Amino acid sequence: ETGVTQTPRHLVMGMTNKKSLKCEQHLGHNAMYWYKQSAKKPLELMFVYNFKEQTENNSVPSRFSPECPNSSHLFLHLHTLQPEDSALYLCASSSDRSNEKLFFGSGTQLSVL
Amino acid sequence: DQQVKQNSPSLSVQEGRISILNCDYTNSMFDYFLWYKKYPAEGPTFLISISSIKDKNEDGRFTVFLNKSAKHLSLHIVPSQPGDSAVYFCAATATGGSYIPTFGRGTSLIVHP
Repeated sequence: ETGVTQTPRHLVMGMTNKKSLKCEQHLGHNAMYWYKQSAKKPLELMFVYNFKEQTENNSVPSRFSPECPNSSHLFLHLHTLQPEDSALYLCASSSDRSNEKLFFGSGTQLSVL
Repeated sequence: DQQVKQNSPSLSVQEGRISILNCDYTNSMFDYFLWYKKYPAEGPTFLISISSIKDKNEDGRFTVFLNKSAKHLSLHIVPSQPGDSAVYFCAATATGGSYIPTFGRGTSLIVHP
């Protein structure tokens, strides 16, 4: 248990569906992240929030919409996704100081049909 | 342009032998380095780190070596065990800079019994 919980663990959705991924951390961290990991590709940083404010948007398509209502919760709203968006979506948290490790959730394995 | 490079996508080692995973970086501002381990369908977990003021850090079977002049670090696992089979990510940060780590592409280690 890393202190970062992601739900659901698995998600299958059609291209016209709307779904949301949820992440919760109980570590008292200020920064939360969304990463995407596709098969045989590196970890791709998608979004970063610090104290609920978005500080990074790594040229992510608008069909991915993050939401951070407080520093413990992070959502990723999905709509009109494409099959190439199928991947493992990882949430992480950390303090906002340098040299601090990230704590990752177990991820949501997303399949877009 | 990748600032953190793991040029070997995979490594196969016999149980009991040493595993050496390599990582190179280009940004001379990086001064703190971390290794993460990731099993399939799970989030990465922190393994070991090293500050640029050191050239070696050891934790049980895991040792990380840093060669600042070559901008190169390596993770040694000895003796290797089948349970070490995973993807290993190298990451780097710059003290005083962004707290967001830069990840390499990862190296998939397979330890054969």
